[in-house]
Amino acid sequence: DIQMTQSPSSLSASVGDRVTITCRASQGIRNDLGWYQQKPGKAPKRLIYAASSLQSGVPSRFSGSGSGTEFTLTISSLQPEDFATYYCLQHNSYPHTFGQGTKLENK
Amino acid sequence: QVQLVESGGGLVRPGGSLRLSCAASGFTFSDYYMSWIRQAPGKGLEWISYISSSSTYTAYADSVKGRFTISRDNAKNSLYLQMNSLRAEDTAIYYCAREWVCPDYWGQGTLVTVSS
Repeated sequence: DIQMTQSPSSLSASVGDRVTITCRASQGIRNDLGWYQQKPGKAPKRLIYAASSLQSGVPSRFSGSGSGTEFTLTISSLQPEDFATYYCLQHNSYPHTFGQGTKLENK
Repeated sequence: QVQLVESGGGLVRPGGSLRLSCAASGFTFSDYYMSWIRQAPGKGLEWISYISSSSTYTAYADSVKGRFTISRDNAKNSLYLQMNSLRAEDTAIYYCAREWVCPDYWGQGTLVTVSS
């Protein structure tokens, strides 16, 4: 199985900050990676697919990059509604696997 | 608009069975692969199963293989998860999700609690 190592597990930041979250795959997964945002009590919401494609309706301050084993999610200027938990998901091979999550908190 | 509504969750004793359903609307259900993903209380997300659009292909996480069965009825726009031999560690919110590249739309989830 492919392991996804996500870092950091938690992050304190302020509105306006630039934030970067990283996912590393235990083997190459091409660009078969998605990023999700989850708020308490809600279902996850897809932000990015195919590593760098922005989901329709998602603000352009979110961006994804990477290929192979290293991937990043960047929020260019943090907004109040962005405080949430973020997950990466590899869908290159079964079983699909999620990163452990990054909880983004208000400093 | 795309809607996915899960049902069938509840309290079940260890060793028991439960069948979850997911009713889909707002898209051509038979065109899409579908998945089940779960989240234990206070924990991260765990992908558990997928099924191809015509039910030809399925896959399972090791944690549920041999105990859970995914199925679908395209005529009823419905996805199912039959869960047998349930364990305490199966306690979670179960989400169904439409697959386009990777899960794009998710339902709101149904809670399964396995406890004596």
